Formats: sequence, structure tokens, C-alpha cells
Amino acid sequence: GAVVSQHPSWVICKSGTSVKIECRSLDFQATTMFWYRQFPKQSLMLMATSNEGSKATYEQGVEKDKFLINHASLTLSTLTVTSAHPEDSSFYICSAPGRLSSYEQYFGPGTRLTVT
Amino acid sequence: ELKVEQNPLFLSMQEGKNYTIYCNYSTTSDRLYWYRQDPGKSLESLFVLLSNGAVKQEGRLMASLDTKARLSTLHITAAVHDLSATYFCAVAFNTNAGKSTFGDGTTLTVKP
Repeated sequence: GAVVSQHPSWVICKSGTSVKIECRSLDFQATTMFWYRQFPKQSLMLMATSNEGSKATYEQGVEKDKFLINHASLTLSTLTVTSAHPEDSSFYICSAPGRLSSYEQYFGPGTRLTVT
Repeated sequence: ELKVEQNPLFLSMQEGKNYTIYCNYSTTSDRLYWYRQDPGKSLESLFVLLSNGAVKQEGRLMASLDTKARLSTLHITAAVHDLSATYFCAVAFNTNAGKSTFGDGTTLTVKP
């Protein structure tokens, strides 16, 4: 089946620094990808829709300048957390629609970000 | 605003028993998903339900969808320890599965 990878799988950074998380579709092209965040023992919250070749669409309440999304190719979307703070510590998960049907969705393995 | 409610949020059950997790949603939609998440891991897709009356089964899990009642159920038959995980339902806003609203999740613990 389709595979989505994320890198890194975990990262620890200091407050004020920026962190980039990559999401790749490994054996298929994805013109659209999605970024979610999940706090411990909570549900997933959609942050933004990443669109290849155009600007990302952010959900209400998500700071565009803080969470920069770039979808520069058909297989790669990146999420950059700028000027990270401890409250940005979370599990970030990307996903991409299936090749055969947009009803299917494939999730990446997630990236655990800890900001100290 | 679309709201998705799951219950129960926590479920502890004995091996061999049956139980049902419920997922209610507030706005008309005919695309509902069930996912499994193990601790520290990402999501695993279990079922995609696309139409009213849809029923899908995989092993000890069976999911159904009633779009008129805006209700989906995930039924567990003869639970085994390996089913211990958190189960999420999610409802899509539109034809694109990725733009989904998730329920709060049901953490299932199956005890021997």
C-alpha cells in the first residue's frame, strides 16, 4: 500500500529556534497533504492543508507565520515551526490521500517535537 | 461547526467479551472513518464507510454507518488483548478524506 514517511521521528529543540519536519509520499504523488497535531492523550486537530505549488490553507486559529508549510514537489511537504515555544511541543502527523481514491488517507508515522 | 462525539472515552473489558463504541456527528456527512492508534504511534486506517447502511468487518471489528441518525458504531467481538489501543472515528468535511474532524478517541484496554 501507499506509504508516507516523516522525518525526523522525534526532535528536541530549544525555545526560540525553528524546526523543520518533512513529510514524503514514497511511492505515489500527492498534490495535497495534511498536517495534524496531537497533544498527549488528546485527539488529532487538523492544522492545515498543504497544496503543491500554491499556498497552504490553514484552519481557523492556526498561526500561519508560526507554522510555515511548503509543498514544493509532488512528494514532499514541509512544516516549519518557527520560534518554537514549549507549548508547541506535540505530536505532528501528516497524511496524504490515496492514489486510487481521495476517500482513503495514509498517515505518516508522526514526529514528536519537544521544545525545552 | 462539525462536532464528532465518541463514547465511551475509556473502555476496560475482559477478553472474550463484546462491546460497542459509538460515534455521533452533528452535520450531514456520508463519509466516516475509523482509525486505530497504538501508544506513541501514528494512525492505522481500519474502515472507510461511504454510504448509509454501510457495514464493514475485519476480524473481530465491525463498523457500521447510519447517516440518518448521524451515528457510526464500532463493534468488538470476543475481544483479545491485541485490540488494546485508542480508536478514533473521523468525519470528512467533503470528498477529501484528509480534511476530517476527529472524535476524542476511545481508549480500549482488554484484560485477560
